[in-house]
Amino acid sequence: DVKVTQSSRYLVKRTGEKVFLECVQDMDHENMFWYRQDPGLGLRLIYFSYDVKMKEKGDIPEGYSVSREKKERFSLILESASTNQTSMYLCASSPIPNTRNQETQYFGPGTRLLVL
Amino acid sequence: GDSVTQMEGPVTLSEEAFLTINCTYTATGYPSLFWYVQYPGEGLQLLLKATKADDKGSNKGFEATYRKETTSFHLEKGSVQVSDSAVYFCALSAGRGGGSNYKLTFGKGTLLTVNP
Repeated sequence: DVKVTQSSRYLVKRTGEKVFLECVQDMDHENMFWYRQDPGLGLRLIYFSYDVKMKEKGDIPEGYSVSREKKERFSLILESASTNQTSMYLCASSPIPNTRNQETQYFGPGTRLLVL
Repeated sequence: GDSVTQMEGPVTLSEEAFLTINCTYTATGYPSLFWYVQYPGEGLQLLLKATKADDKGSNKGFEATYRKETTSFHLEKGSVQVSDSAVYFCALSAGRGGGSNYKLTFGKGTLLTVNP
């Protein structure tokens, strides 16, 4: 089974802090994604990466950056946390094209971040 | 751009009732369609998918048929259980490749509560 793990289930930070959210997958997937989930808004894509050191902006990248130094690890960085970044953050991964389940994304359990 | 519209919740049913959650989409080309489920406190899990018109995805008693003519992918279950209580997300993947490999576009989610 594919396993996607996230470094924390719950996190409390102060406004202005730099926050790192880590995601690791164990299936050698090429693609990795970061979403935030908010009530009434569903899932919104922040950033994604289709290869090591490659990244692309999603729909709401402002205030976030990402890092993918190794294939299995994709980090989301909040450079200076703000209260409007309080949310549930979900990481996902998917395999390369032309493989079985190529379009299926596998999700981690989520990190609930509270910024005070 | 691509979009997914699904039935607003919440939906509350009694055990053994019939479930329908409507989902319609807008996309160029021929997207793949998905239903994901999120149980309380967890990340999203793939429930079922369909990759071409008239395909039926099924899993755990849930079914959805890819209807190109009505651009719909409605989720159904004949007899729900308390354990089906969760948030259900409809999603599409346009699979355009390149730097946008298989991004998913999600609906806003529908909360289902099943009472005993």
